Amino acid sequence: GQNIDQPTEMTATEGAIVQINCTYQTSGFNGLFWYQQHAGEAPTFLSYNVLDGLEEKGRFSSFLSRSKGYSYLLLKELQMKDSASYLCAVHITDKLIFGTGTRLQVFP
Amino acid sequence: ETGVTQTPRHLVMGMTNKKSLKCEQHLGHNAMYWYKQSAKKPLELMFVYSLEERVENNSVPSRFSPECPNSSHLFLHLHTLQPEDSALYLCASSHGVGAETQYFGPGTRLLVL
Repeated sequence: GQNIDQPTEMTATEGAIVQINCTYQTSGFNGLFWYQQHAGEAPTFLSYNVLDGLEEKGRFSSFLSRSKGYSYLLLKELQMKDSASYLCAVHITDKLIFGTGTRLQVFP
Repeated sequence: ETGVTQTPRHLVMGMTNKKSLKCEQHLGHNAMYWYKQSAKKPLELMFVYSLEERVENNSVPSRFSPECPNSSHLFLHLHTLQPEDSALYLCASSHGVGAETQYFGPGTRLLVL
């Protein structure tokens, strides 16, 4: 079976750093996506990791360890607009398997 | 502005109704997807179309019937739905099936009474 785990909810303060973890046990692995989804809106692409290591894109970074079945999304200098759900998705052959998503609330 | 549009954005229907959800992508992609998103559950892949051919059907009940008349349009025909089918239905597209980044539409919020 396929299993992807993320925390259900997280809270953080404006200006802070938050790390959202994702662990997976899947039959096959080609890469891992992170998507952001604001309430009532479409999920939007944040990052795609294929190789181990950290990839940085502005305030957002994504890390992957294939041997540990682990990824995290790091958000720096949090802003109120970062309040959203963050979806971890594993790419297997020709489909994506999603986690339940982590709802992040940023407080002033 | 998203390159994937969905209509209607909200839909309320009775269990005996027939309705259709529409998705249109303006990105020149060849693959399109239907997902179901329920509260506190992962996004569930329902159907995948590549070059207008269905390549994936994830054991979806027959009361959901997809149609892909061309690579830019995707429909989901609904009939005799159940209350547990109430969810957000998301359409997505990508250049090809597989590792390509998927671009999502805003979804149709469906309530079945």
